[in-house]
Amino acid sequence: GENVEQHPSTLSVQEGDSAVIKCTYSDSASNYFPWYKQELGKGPQLIIDIRSNVGEKKDQRIAVTLNKTAKHFSLHITETQPEDSAVYFCAASNIVGYGGSQGNLIFGKGTKLSVKP
Amino acid sequence: DSGVTQTPKHLITATGQRVTLRCSPRSGDLSVYWYQQSLDQGLQFLIQYYNGEERAKGNILERFSAQQFPDLHSELNLSSLELGDSALYFCASSVEPAAPYEQYFGPGTRLTVT
Repeated sequence: GENVEQHPSTLSVQEGDSAVIKCTYSDSASNYFPWYKQELGKGPQLIIDIRSNVGEKKDQRIAVTLNKTAKHFSLHITETQPEDSAVYFCAASNIVGYGGSQGNLIFGKGTKLSVKP
Repeated sequence: DSGVTQTPKHLITATGQRVTLRCSPRSGDLSVYWYQQSLDQGLQFLIQYYNGEERAKGNILERFSAQQFPDLHSELNLSSLELGDSALYFCASSVEPAAPYEQYFGPGTRLTVT
């Protein structure tokens, strides 16, 4: 089955700097890659996602890139702010249509991001 | 706020007991997923329901079961509880099991087994 590796496990940056979190996946059939942000005491919040027919997607200060050949995808946060401090999870899924096991997310272990003022 | 609600927020119980966790999906969502989050295993998919029917099973123990009711809320039943079952349990919902793909998570239930 699918396996998702996420690095680094912890990341500390100064406010205003950029942060990059990387994930690799094992199943070449995976075609959907969401990123979630989890703040202390809360559930994971979907912040951005990318599908396998797209190489890059941006939403304000966050962007995700996907390299299908190398089977890795990355989250980029620019101009980091203290409120970006949280645990970030990448995930992968194989959406093959109706029925079966599609839609089940396989998560990386998470990256604890700390943004220092 | 994702629109997914879960009750209770916290649950403390003893080994061997049985508990029920409840989830209400976002309005309009037909699919419900259950995940377990523990420090050593991370976020793991347990089971998925779509419009009342089981769609997929992940790493769900035989001591655990779930169902989705006609009003689309779902319950996760955990029985013969062990210390290792202590974890955060999240419910997520989406419109359909396959599209538009996005899963939205509830705030979770923290289960402590003593």
